[in-house]
Parts: sequence; C-alpha cells; structure tokens
Amino acid sequence: GAGVSQSPRYKVTKRGQDVALRCDPISGHVSLYWYRQALGQGPEFLTYFNYEAQQDKSGLPNDRFSAERPEGSISTLTIQRTEQRDSAMYRCASSLGTDLGYTFGSGTRLTVV
Amino acid sequence: GESVGLHLPTLSVQEGDNSIINCAYSNSASDYFIWYKQESGKGPQFIIDIRSNMDKRQGQRVTVLLNKTVKHLSLQIAATQPGDSAVYFCAETPSGNTPLVFGKGTRLSVIA
Repeated sequence: GAGVSQSPRYKVTKRGQDVALRCDPISGHVSLYWYRQALGQGPEFLTYFNYEAQQDKSGLPNDRFSAERPEGSISTLTIQRTEQRDSAMYRCASSLGTDLGYTFGSGTRLTVV
Repeated sequence: GESVGLHLPTLSVQEGDNSIINCAYSNSASDYFIWYKQESGKGPQFIIDIRSNMDKRQGQRVTVLLNKTVKHLSLQIAATQPGDSAVYFCAETPSGNTPLVFGKGTRLSVIA
C-alpha cells in the first residue's frame, strides 16, 4: 500500500483479555518495527523484523508481549492478559533497510479498562 | 485527535522567523540521525537525516547540523510557517541492525 496501515485504530479491552494489533507495512519494505509511545514521550522500541525473522525483541516489556511476521509482510503484536499499564499508543514503522528512515503508521490506541 | 507532548519543552516562534530545535544524544557510537515531525493524531513523519561523516545537511527549508564532539544535533527551519507547528523528535542509531532510539521531543508553536 501507499503507507503503513495499522488496525484497529482504537482498541478498548478489559483487563485480562488478549489483544492482537496488526501492521501492514509498505510493500517491499524489508524491515518492520514496533514501538510504543506514551503521551509526552518519544516512541519506545519494542521489537523489529527483517523479512520474517525477528531480529531484536529486547524492548518487549515482559513475556506477555509477542510479535510475529510469518510471511515477511504483515505483522501482529499480541499482548496476553492485558493490564492497565499496557494502555498506550502502539506504533508500527517500516523501512527498506535497517539503516534508512522509517515510515510510521497512524498507530493503535490501546486502552485497558 | 490525540494530543502529543503534553509536558514537552516548547519553542514559540513568530511566523516567518527561523526556528532552531536542539537535541543532545547520548550514544557516542551513533552513526545515523533523523529528525521526525509529529502532528497531533498522526505518526512521526520523516523530515531529514544525516550520517556521522557529515556535519551539515540541507533540505527544503530545513537544515540539520551535527556536532559529534559534544553529541549535539539541531534542526533549523527557515521562514517558519503555521503548518510547522508540531512536536519534533530526534532519533539516533549506530550503523547496522540497531533500531532507532528517540529523544524526548520539543513542541514547536508558530505564532501567526
């Protein structure tokens, strides 16, 4: 597509439920990144992929968070047993390579109640 | 839309004046630097980048300056316009498979 597409745009879930956030990167972009952004802060790295391989997941807060990109295109970030502290804007970005500027999507606003 | 940067440093500039936004980075191994613009309700948007073998790079109305000695990056916007109002983030990474690390951001407010 023309840009990075994320869905849903907004997600409200009850504490303890699992959620799956989707990212559809720009066609042909090798690298895909997940960031989390709190109000008043810059994006905070979570994990990234080159093609289908997860290169770095050091930013995932704990083992309730996981991500996959099985065919090297669309990626899903899954949060299990959500907690209120998981509430944030989750942003996906893609790039042609790891050493090039990223294009960000509009994000998914997750609210855990 | 959502509000970005509720408690960020704010730079207020008169329309038509030049703006300078500064960023201090911490990793002396950083090799690649980018400035992003983020408007309310939107994702960060790439503005300009620079690599460590350069100390200045110009784009359309924007210039990025890099001082590796003091680990300082600045973004200059010429003839600032109301549409430049946004939060600006610097981001850095060492070369290779290391993701971008973002700074805290500065809110630019343009006074018409």
